[in-house]
Amino acid sequence: GAGVSQSPSNKVTEKGKDVELRCDPISGHTALYWYRQSLGQGLEFLIYFQGNSAPDKSGLPSDRFSAERTGGSVSTLTIQRTQQEDSAVYLCASTETSGGYQETQYFGPGTRLLVL
Amino acid sequence: DQQVKQNSPSLSVQEGRISILNCDYTNSMFDYFLWYKKYPAEGPTFLISISSIKDKNEDGRFTVFLNKSAKHLSLHIVPSQPGDSAVYFCAASAASGTYKYIFGTGTRLKVLA
Repeated sequence: GAGVSQSPSNKVTEKGKDVELRCDPISGHTALYWYRQSLGQGLEFLIYFQGNSAPDKSGLPSDRFSAERTGGSVSTLTIQRTQQEDSAVYLCASTETSGGYQETQYFGPGTRLLVL
Repeated sequence: DQQVKQNSPSLSVQEGRISILNCDYTNSMFDYFLWYKKYPAEGPTFLISISSIKDKNEDGRFTVFLNKSAKHLSLHIVPSQPGDSAVYFCAASAASGTYKYIFGTGTRLKVLA
């Protein structure tokens, strides 16, 4: 079956503009994660969705970042008033159930964001 | 504070030889560890994992070793193949942390033909 897909694959924007990044998880997967990988850094957890539960937003770096997941499937990560330090690869992952302990995460190819 | 560290950003190995990728962690609560492999323009894919109740887990050419006292794990690839050239991330989690994994910064492996 289809894996996790993300769009766009690349995004170049000007400082101060808003951007929206999209993630389509594997069909039927209930948990969805967003990560960010800045240059020379590891994968930084941003946000976690699981079913109808309140999302864990503890990794969002500022209130310019927000995410939603509609209908328990597609997720959109929005960055408002982008800054140059937001430049990174944004990765989405999904897991079959709750993403619990020892469950494998399946990653999308990422969106490479460049803020000029 | 980097709880999971991969101190070697890159590694080059001759085809057929052993590749050893290292990972250190600081949080003693971590009890489950994974290695992911990432090709350019693709997302990371799961490679192998190990629970803290073991000190070794093997899957074909890939073996992960865990030294809990040293808070160190390593991934051995033998024999190394050109197709193994990728970035390798280690990740750690704790039962108490449920769904959260902490990732290292990655090691870029280049296998020379």
